[in-house]
Amino acid sequence: SAVISQKPSRDICQRGTSLTIQCQVDSQVTMMFWYRQQPGQSLTLIATANQGSEATYESGFVIDKFPISRPNLTFSTLTVSNMSPEDSSIYLCSVAEGYGYTFGSGTRLTVV
Amino acid sequence: GDSVTQMEGPVTLSEEAFLTINCTYTATGYPSLFWYVQYPGEGLQLLLKATKADDKGSNKGFEATYRKETTSFHLEKGSVQVSDSAVYFCARRSGAGSYQLTFGKGTKLSVIP
Repeated sequence: SAVISQKPSRDICQRGTSLTIQCQVDSQVTMMFWYRQQPGQSLTLIATANQGSEATYESGFVIDKFPISRPNLTFSTLTVSNMSPEDSSIYLCSVAEGYGYTFGSGTRLTVV
Repeated sequence: GDSVTQMEGPVTLSEEAFLTINCTYTATGYPSLFWYVQYPGEGLQLLLKATKADDKGSNKGFEATYRKETTSFHLEKGSVQVSDSAVYFCARRSGAGSYQLTFGKGTKLSVIP
């Protein structure tokens, strides 16, 4: 299965700033996904990122707040913009492989 | 819409006890079903999966059977270890044409010596 390198693994950020999270995959994949896991909660899909097209956002998530880039088949970034304490979560990228999915190790974000 | 319902946690068991974590799913379409595990401080790892009715997924002593008649995918292990302490997530993927995973709320398992 694919191996995903996600960076940074954690960060503490000031409110009002932005953080860009990177995901690098060791093989070419068509579909990448970004999830948010709020403290003590399950995973919620933020958006689906396909190479060469705009990301598709789920209800409650907008491009201005969570811009996504997908410049090629092995890389994607998610930016959390104008952060507030409510954005404190774990953010995970994921790729689809056959019937399964592989997840990155996550970025633990704390906004102070 | 698609949904997954998991038993509420936390669950605390003694080492070598039998584990069951219940999971039911909405029956629309022909979903694939998954169990993911999240160890403390780590990301999600696929534990097992089943792609059609009556399939049994198994890994590391854990098992789950895709039961279409009861729309269930309960996770079981005959003898848990302290190292099994983690949060377990049941998830479904809708049928052909959809890649979206829908997760349950997760069940935290603590195994005590």
